[in-house]
Amino acid sequence: QSALTQPASVSGSPGQSVTVSCTGTNSDVGLYKYVSWYQQHPGKAPKLIIYEVANRPSGVSYRFSGSKSGNTASLTISGLQAEDEADYYCSSYTSSSTLVFGTGTKVTVL
Amino acid sequence: EVQLLESGGGLVQRGGSLRLSCAASGFAFSTYAMAWVRQAPGKELEWVSVFSGIGGTTYYAESVKGRFTISRDDSKNILYMQMKSLRAEDTAVYYCAKDFSPFGAGMGAYDIWGQGTVVTVSS
Repeated sequence: QSALTQPASVSGSPGQSVTVSCTGTNSDVGLYKYVSWYQQHPGKAPKLIIYEVANRPSGVSYRFSGSKSGNTASLTISGLQAEDEADYYCSSYTSSSTLVFGTGTKVTVL
Repeated sequence: EVQLLESGGGLVQRGGSLRLSCAASGFAFSTYAMAWVRQAPGKELEWVSVFSGIGGTTYYAESVKGRFTISRDDSKNILYMQMKSLRAEDTAVYYCAKDFSPFGAGMGAYDIWGQGTVVTVSS
């Protein structure tokens, strides 16, 4: 199972919005609603920020939103803040009854 | 407080074995699927294995199938990963993670993660 494809990096200025894409296949992202997004700061464990494509766990900022179209899921961070600078990973359930993560995207706040 | 604490990592020679443990507290451990996820130095997250909370179903990534065995002791609230025939490419930080929803298969989302334990396989 190959990793889902994410851009290596995206950047934006404080207050702007950025979108991170996550491209899979019709055997994972395109087939299931089980797409999640994680935020990981250097040296820290990942933190769940989106589950089932577009749902936010309790305590996660409304500035994070998710969506999906076909085989591509997207994470949008609105009102970019300095603390949003981190690595972001998507994940998806697969038709092989496994989970696959994305290649990861470094979000930089300019 | 909901918490996961991994242990058991270390330096091991290629071909060797190691058992990781993950002690859980603060939630009804037996009702949640639990997973292992690893991250090689400077690399992306890689899903390794999951043990469902009810039914005892286990799943593995192809890269570890036949070499790693996931298990759990619900009486002690501990998740394990027995690793054998270790390879250099198994070198990583190993995280245990809790499924977001109870009674699930553990393939949806992981809302609680441990701090990780480092496994280094030397050649």
